[in-house]
This record gives sequence, C-alpha cells and structure tokens, in this order.
Amino acid sequence: DTAVSQTPKYLVTQMGNDKSIKCEQNLGHDTMYWYKQDSKKFLKIMFSYNNKELIINETVPNRFSPKSPDKAHLNLHINSLELGDSAVYFCASSQSWVGEKLFFGSGTQLSVL
Amino acid sequence: TQLLEQSPQFLSIQEGENLTVYCNSSSVFSSLQWYRQEPGEGPVLLVTVVTGGEVKKLKRLTFQFGDARKDSSLHITAAQPGDTGLYLCAGAEGGGADGLTFGKGTHLIIQP
Repeated sequence: DTAVSQTPKYLVTQMGNDKSIKCEQNLGHDTMYWYKQDSKKFLKIMFSYNNKELIINETVPNRFSPKSPDKAHLNLHINSLELGDSAVYFCASSQSWVGEKLFFGSGTQLSVL
Repeated sequence: TQLLEQSPQFLSIQEGENLTVYCNSSSVFSSLQWYRQEPGEGPVLLVTVVTGGEVKKLKRLTFQFGDARKDSSLHITAAQPGDTGLYLCAGAEGGGADGLTFGKGTHLIIQP
C-alpha cells in the first residue's frame, strides 16, 4: 500500500480554471503538508495541518485553499489558475509535529496553459 | 525563513569516484535531514542528524553535521549509477514550528 498517495499524477488545464488535488496518508500521522516544487526543483512549504488544524500558512495567494476533512486527508483547491501556478505539488505527512521526517507523495505535475 | 545553500548545484562524475556535497547556512538548526529525489517521485528521507559533530553512515554514504549545527556534508564513496538523483538537505529550526527549510538541491549524475 502506498503510504502517501495523491491524485492526479498529471493535471493539464487552461488559465482561469479551478482544480483540486487530493492527498491521503495511511500512516496514522497527525501532520500533513503541501509543498510546491518549481522548475528549478526548489521545494517550498505552502501549508501544514496538524489534526485537521491549519498550523502553517506561508505567503501563498488566497486562490489556494487547503481542506482537511480528517487527519488522513489534505486536499488542495486552486481557483482561477494562472500560468505561474505550473509546478509539481507534493503532499507529505509526518508523525506528529512539524520538523520531523517527512513522507512524500509522488507529486502532481500541474501545467497551466 | 533561514536559507540553506547547497553546493555544487550540478555534479556529473564517473562510476567508482568519490564525491562530497555540501549544505551550508549562517543560522543554527536543531536538526538537519537529507533526502534523495528521483525523477517523477517525491523526496525520500536518507538520514536525520541532530547533534553537532554527528556522523552517520548509510552503506557508502557518510553524513556529517557541523559542530555548530549550521552546515552538513554528504560524502559518497565509490559512486554507483544508482546514486544518481537530486539530493536535498532540509533544516528544522528550534521546535520546528515553521516546518522544514529545504536547500535547492544538488543534481548528481553518476555515469557508468
């Protein structure tokens, strides 16, 4: 079983559309994250949730809205997609508090045309 | 947000050679992690170092945390094509409340 799974793997869409990426972890971890990796492979945290509560909210446009229905799921909804949103988005989880070792999903490559 | 500088950014060497990758910061981290990422996949944790001066070995990989906990190095002995990948260091500051700060990575290619 995949520990951290995110869907879809690839997402190609037009500018202005709204899209969602889903993430689920079966590790029993309390903390989940969304990271963005740009074309130069720089990995930057976007959001972190601990037990469904938002604890890290970096400077991200409010077009990005995370939702955690339970501690095993953290979804990312993006409104009014822009060209600059094109990147690989990684979901990750850790046992409890932030700063612990991360288990990453395999990424969602988003291409905005 | 504390910055982590990794060097070199790109490295291509022949199979069997040794190499060292560096991760440096002007700030102190409570712990530092090294990840390896392969194309189309997420980063996978290799090791976590916590104590200043700590050295950890993982087969042919040797990780060292600087005495002042501001820098780290990864040394690979007798590199193999399977070592090819993007190596990322990530630091946690204090209680880690701000999450991990990632370096920009070292792209390593080991040629057969």
